Amino acid sequence: DAGVTQSPTHLIKTRGQQVTLRCSPKSGHDTVSWYQQALGQGPQFIFQYYEEEERQRGNFPDRFSGHQFPNYSSELNVNALLLGDSALYLCASSSTGETKKETQYFGPGTRLLVL
Amino acid sequence: GDSVTQMEGPVTLSEEAFLTINCTYTATGYPSLFWYVQYPGEGLQLLLKATKADDKGSNKGFEATYRKETTSFHLEKGSVQVSDSAVYFCAGFSGNTPLVFGKGTRLSVIA
Repeated sequence: DAGVTQSPTHLIKTRGQQVTLRCSPKSGHDTVSWYQQALGQGPQFIFQYYEEEERQRGNFPDRFSGHQFPNYSSELNVNALLLGDSALYLCASSSTGETKKETQYFGPGTRLLVL
Repeated sequence: GDSVTQMEGPVTLSEEAFLTINCTYTATGYPSLFWYVQYPGEGLQLLLKATKADDKGSNKGFEATYRKETTSFHLEKGSVQVSDSAVYFCAGFSGNTPLVFGKGTRLSVIA
């Protein structure tokens, strides 16, 4: 059973460019969340997708956008990159059960460096 | 809003020492609580969880009990190994809030 997978593993971009990160959820999971983890910090919630719609959003600007596909995979897009966007981007998947107390499982992350 | 306060590190222990990493959670509702571990260069791995008061989560010798009266979820292990060296994150969510993380505690275990 494959866990959460993310691509690419590493990425180097320059300021002003745009980037797309990809995530495939764990088998059986229908909800995908994205997090930004700056160096030495805990992950910060960006947004969550369920049924191909953004269900929740954290305190991130509109430069951060996403998409979920019918097969539950997801993309994170960041436009007009800033140096401060350099971070590890983590994708987490979960299954929306009746209790709503779903556990999130994380992928290995994509490390983005903006020069 | 919801928040997680976690003991700051780094923590350095000798092999076979006892480990405690403190974590408290502030929420309007009754949260589900988690401990995640991050090994160097990797993503987060779920270590253990508790979804209601007095629940005890355990895995790989680690334990944490959800204490409702203090909203605490301290991580403990009786005898740490060098392979336990990692960063540990306490996290939780309640109701429809997103998962909130603490800042992480770096543990180094020396032989």
